[in-house]
Amino acid sequence: AQTIHQWPVAEIKAVGSPLSLGCTIKGKSSPNLYWYWQATGGTLQQLFYSITVGQVESVVQLNLSASRPKDDQFILSTEKLLLSHSGFYLCAWSRDINQAPLFGEGTRLSVL
Amino acid sequence: GEQVEQLPSILRVQEGSSASINCSYEDSASNYFPWYKQEPGENPKLIIDIRSNMERKQIQELIVLLDKKAKRFSLHITDTQPGDSAMYFCAARRGTNAYKVIFGKGTHLHVLP
Repeated sequence: AQTIHQWPVAEIKAVGSPLSLGCTIKGKSSPNLYWYWQATGGTLQQLFYSITVGQVESVVQLNLSASRPKDDQFILSTEKLLLSHSGFYLCAWSRDINQAPLFGEGTRLSVL
Repeated sequence: GEQVEQLPSILRVQEGSSASINCSYEDSASNYFPWYKQEPGENPKLIIDIRSNMERKQIQELIVLLDKKAKRFSLHITDTQPGDSAMYFCAARRGTNAYKVIFGKGTHLHVLP
């Protein structure tokens, strides 16, 4: 069975500091990977998707970047956090384009 | 045409009655429509989906209807229980880019005892 793990579970960071969030998928080779962001009480905004290692497509510009250094790993990062970056970051995967994204447990980020 | 509209934003129903959530989409090429349930503090979980070659799908108490001409789809929960209280999100996969999945703004369902 496939498992998806996100780290860390939660972060409290200062404005202007760097950020790195991680996501690992086990049990499926070459998954499609996604990053979503959710403001408190808000909808899910797709940020990035990746079909293969080393290739990432941006969906919306929020002063964030993503990378896929390994087949099973997806990283979300920024060099300088803004207050508006606070929220719930969710990594998701799908077997192929015919499957709905399935979400990890998420990382709660508070930027102070 | 990337919007997915979802109504109502808040829905209160009596336990045992039915709840209906309606969504509409703009991209006529959209071909896949998943629904997610999100409980407080947790991640969204896929509960049911429907593809554009279907008009109706049922899994136990969940029914999804799709009207492609009107570009509308809906979720119906029959015989609601307190455990059905949660946020529900509809979504649509874009036809022009299948890797983009656009979500509605969510419906907060309260099932009253």
